Amino acid sequence: QQQVKQSPQSLIVQKGGISIINCAYENTAFDYFPWYQQFPGKGPALLIAIRPDVSEKKEGRFTISFNKSAKQFSLHIMDSQPGDSATYFCAALMNRDDKIIFGKGTRLHILP
Amino acid sequence: DAGITQSPRYKITETGRQVTLMCHQTWSHSYMFWYRQDLGHGLRLIYYSAAADITDKGEVPDGYVVSRSKTENFPLTLESATRSQTSVYFCASQGDSNTEAFFGQGTRLTVV
Repeated sequence: QQQVKQSPQSLIVQKGGISIINCAYENTAFDYFPWYQQFPGKGPALLIAIRPDVSEKKEGRFTISFNKSAKQFSLHIMDSQPGDSATYFCAALMNRDDKIIFGKGTRLHILP
Repeated sequence: DAGITQSPRYKITETGRQVTLMCHQTWSHSYMFWYRQDLGHGLRLIYYSAAADITDKGEVPDGYVVSRSKTENFPLTLESATRSQTSVYFCASQGDSNTEAFFGQGTRLTVV
């Protein structure tokens, strides 16, 4: 049973555009929602994260929007750049001492 | 060097052979994980460990064995490799009071 559903599987965006990746979860016990970024040949690395007590978190061009009632959260990349081309994973944790549940990933390609 | 390292980076093995993938971390993190990454499946958890001598199955444990005699090491063994185990394997570690997982560079395993 997939606990974190991520879409789309792949995404192509023009340089300067907005990239949007969506995730939905089922377990309301999740209380931490990170996004990981993975470049080819590298391991994933934490990009940005949010807790369900806030509806939005912004770090530079990256923003997480969180809708607790809908059990959905999304990553927005503003002014997308070719260097943002990577695979993005949304994830969820039940508490800080638990294993991370990952979505299936989105391969993002930014056209130059 | 501080961090988490995996070895080897690349491995080709024959069907039926035993192969061990190594993972070493220098932070003394309690939690360690093994994931496999396949196109269309994202990151799937194979095994994880909450501390030395404590291991537990993840989503896809069949055909794999782990051990954790020391906090810093978490080797993954394929007892009798099959072609379906051709994948990229990632090791990760996570501290007790830290929700961020740190990933190694990955091991690309090909079973022929």
